Amino acid sequence: NAGVTQTPKFRVLKTGQSMTLLCAQDMNHEYMYWYRQDPGMGLRLIHYSVGEGTTAKGEVPDGYNVSRLKKQNFLLGLESAAPSQTSVYFCASSYGLAGAENIQYFGAGTRLSVL
Amino acid sequence: RKEVEQDPGPFNVPEGATVAFNCTYSNSASQSFFWYRQDCRKEPKLLMSVYSSGNEDGRFTAQLNRASQYISLLIRDSKLSDSATYLCVVIMNTGNQFYFGTGTSLTVIP
Repeated sequence: NAGVTQTPKFRVLKTGQSMTLLCAQDMNHEYMYWYRQDPGMGLRLIHYSVGEGTTAKGEVPDGYNVSRLKKQNFLLGLESAAPSQTSVYFCASSYGLAGAENIQYFGAGTRLSVL
Repeated sequence: RKEVEQDPGPFNVPEGATVAFNCTYSNSASQSFFWYRQDCRKEPKLLMSVYSSGNEDGRFTAQLNRASQYISLLIRDSKLSDSATYLCVVIMNTGNQFYFGTGTSLTVIP
């Protein structure tokens, strides 16, 4: 009954450091997403994936990279963290893209601070 | 102009009150609509889908007005546990364009 699991839950980085956020889902969903949520900005899509081995840019992709080597995992990388990347990051997955298939299930989030 | 706009609130209502939120969208090609609920420091969770004919789930009613391009969420007999942020989601016909609103904050007061 895990659903979508994100690790880590919290992280503090120094400017310029790199890190990878891991998202794992056990619902056999094809589609996975990474969002960031900032006060007053709502959820903004960073990157998404429509299947194993595929990725696509969302609304705010700069400064992030992603990989989907396995269907159940979607990794978000920050190569050189900046204070502007301080945010709460959510991963989500869905069965499809259109209509009711795009009901998204979210992980618990990763709270990242970049000093 | 934002694709999806919501009144951020906050809405502070007494227990038992009826409260309604609207969410406007800019693209008439939008096809699917949802309401999500997000508790403080938690992830968003699906509250309900919004169907063209309107739909009800207990104390919650969702409606779609295509002519005016908005969806609404009505909560009757508000409970303390309804305190949360409510996000609307709009999905375009293509499926690969979907937009979350910034959320409307609701606090139900004893």
